Amino acid sequence: GAVVSQHPSWVICKSGTSVKIECRSLDFQATTMFWYRQFPKQSLMLMATSNEGSKATYEQGVEKDKFLINHASLTLSTLTVTSAHPEDSSFYICSARGDNTGELFFGEGSRLTVL
Amino acid sequence: AQSVTQPDIHITVSEGASLELRCNYSYGATPYLFWYVQSPGQGLQLLLKYFSGDTLVQGIKGFEAEFKRSQSSFNLRKPSVHWSDAAEYFCAVGFTGNQFYFGTGTSLTVIP
Repeated sequence: GAVVSQHPSWVICKSGTSVKIECRSLDFQATTMFWYRQFPKQSLMLMATSNEGSKATYEQGVEKDKFLINHASLTLSTLTVTSAHPEDSSFYICSARGDNTGELFFGEGSRLTVL
Repeated sequence: AQSVTQPDIHITVSEGASLELRCNYSYGATPYLFWYVQSPGQGLQLLLKYFSGDTLVQGIKGFEAEFKRSQSSFNLRKPSVHWSDAAEYFCAVGFTGNQFYFGTGTSLTVIP
């Protein structure tokens, strides 16, 4: 199956700093990627849909100025958590569609800890 | 409202015993159906998927799932559980558009 890779897997940062997480589709082109956030022991919550060459579409309640998404190429989407605070600590997962059937391929996830 | 329900938050089974994880969905049409597994601190791995055709689908690691349209269910089964199957399991439904919905997950504990 298609491969989606995230980097970094783990990141610890100080409160007030910004952190960038990359999501790459390694063996296919993805015009659309998705960013999820997962709290401990909970399901995945869709944050935003990243569209190549255009602005991301954010879900209700997600601050677009805090969670900046850029999808500059067909194989790369980035999520930047700006001015991070401890409550932004979470597990962030990206995914991409491999074809027209609707299946999503997931990255390994990135755990962010804000001190 | 559209939803995906996994009624069991946590299940404990003995190694070697059979397993069934429940999933129900509420949509007007038959969506694409998926089961994913997540180990602690890891991303999601696809176990199996149903798009159309045979309602009993086989997946990886010995898992299977059966789509029952009349019950709007897509339950995951395994005849004999291994200790390495302990993980979080998510049922999901998707459409050809951008909608993709996850259930709340079922945590599986396997007792030696």
